[in-house]
Amino acid sequence: NAGVTQTPKFQVLKTGQSMTLQCAQDMNHEYMSWYRQDPGMGLRLIHYSVGAGITDQGEVPNGYNVSRSTTEDFPLRLLSAAPSQTSVYFCASSSTSWGTGELFFGEGSRLTVL
Amino acid sequence: AQKITQTQPGMFVQEKEAVTLDCTYDTSDPSYGLFWYKQPSSGEMIFLIYQGSYDQQNATEGRYSLNFQKARKSANLVISASQLGDSAMYFCAMRNTGGFKTIFGAGTRLFVKA
Repeated sequence: NAGVTQTPKFQVLKTGQSMTLQCAQDMNHEYMSWYRQDPGMGLRLIHYSVGAGITDQGEVPNGYNVSRSTTEDFPLRLLSAAPSQTSVYFCASSSTSWGTGELFFGEGSRLTVL
Repeated sequence: AQKITQTQPGMFVQEKEAVTLDCTYDTSDPSYGLFWYKQPSSGEMIFLIYQGSYDQQNATEGRYSLNFQKARKSANLVISASQLGDSAMYFCAMRNTGGFKTIFGAGTRLFVKA
């Protein structure tokens, strides 16, 4: 059972570089989302999607772009990385049509911006 | 706007005792779900328990129960008979049923003492 797969697990960037965090799920979940986790601040929602072609901003969207061209994939793009984007990033998905709607998480991606 | 508040950054509990982790929420939506997740030191996010806003009874899952007081907008997690393996970060989360996006509180770090 793959569940939610995030890559890469670790990444070091220099200020101004761009990169994409990949997220894929094999559970046919309609809802996918990206969070960042910083000490003392919990998980903050960056962007989310309720289906292919539909995305929306969360609590902290600035500096990040997303797209959802398929049900399975929801990549997160940093166009010009800044040290403030140093964080642990989690992708999560859930069903919107059955169950309680609990989130299924990837293992996380630790990003350091120098 | 939705908001989740966890006011206990850290808590200690003696092994085999019960502990309550506090969570208050704010939302104007009549339909929502409340969740608790556990994050051990290994970093993965584990779903523990769910409470729907229209559920009449408090949710229970094994040693976990959710003390849901709708009028006070609180959804406290009670862990009975604490074990050393319960030492972790605990997050309260809320999802409004219409929009599906889920937001989290800042978390409570629980330490279980032998």
